[in-house]
Amino acid sequence: GESVGLHLPTLSVQEGDNSIINCAYSNSASDYFIWYKQESGKGPQFIIDIRSNMDKRQGQRVTVLLNKTVKHLSLQIAATQPGDSAVYFCADSPGTGKLIFGQGTTLQVKP
Amino acid sequence: NAGVTQTPKFQVLKTGQSMTLQCAQDMNHNSMYWYRQDPGMGLRLIYYSASEGTTDKGEVPNGYNVSRLNKREFSLRLESAAPSQTSVYFCAGGLGGVYNEQFFGPGTRLTVL
Repeated sequence: GESVGLHLPTLSVQEGDNSIINCAYSNSASDYFIWYKQESGKGPQFIIDIRSNMDKRQGQRVTVLLNKTVKHLSLQIAATQPGDSAVYFCADSPGTGKLIFGQGTTLQVKP
Repeated sequence: NAGVTQTPKFQVLKTGQSMTLQCAQDMNHNSMYWYRQDPGMGLRLIYYSASEGTTDKGEVPNGYNVSRLNKREFSLRLESAAPSQTSVYFCAGGLGGVYNEQFFGPGTRLTVL
């Protein structure tokens, strides 16, 4: 069946370091992937997306890498800041009009 | 431009009571979605509406009904609330199709006693 998983439930990093959050997906037909950030008490917020015809996409301080061979994507956050502390979700779109969400990784930024 | 709004923000129900969660979007999206989020878990799709006039079941539809009132509004109804429906409920609007970026509301925190 379809599933989207994250490798670590919690990631703790020092302020200023780079963070890498990983995600594995199972549906090889997925064409589109999104990373969301969810702060405590709020709804998920779009960070960055990537289409399956791309390997890499960069935003402001964030980069998403997609490896279709092993069905893996990652979110890299440069120079992590306290405001980056949140739960991060990956989601994939297998072309059904729905998104399949992973369980989330909690990013803790230590001052 | 408020994006996606949800009411109420918080609600406490007794077992067996009914209620409707309201959602509205002003982004002119065709598709709308209802999710639930339980502690330590991701978002699970309850129902969705690909376009005005259509609704479909998601992963966890039992105990819920929905109404796509018009393009802007998509409501979720609990006819007879159960403690297992204690959760945070999120509504989202989206582009639909393959490149289906979704925009979420702030959520409704529901407790069923």
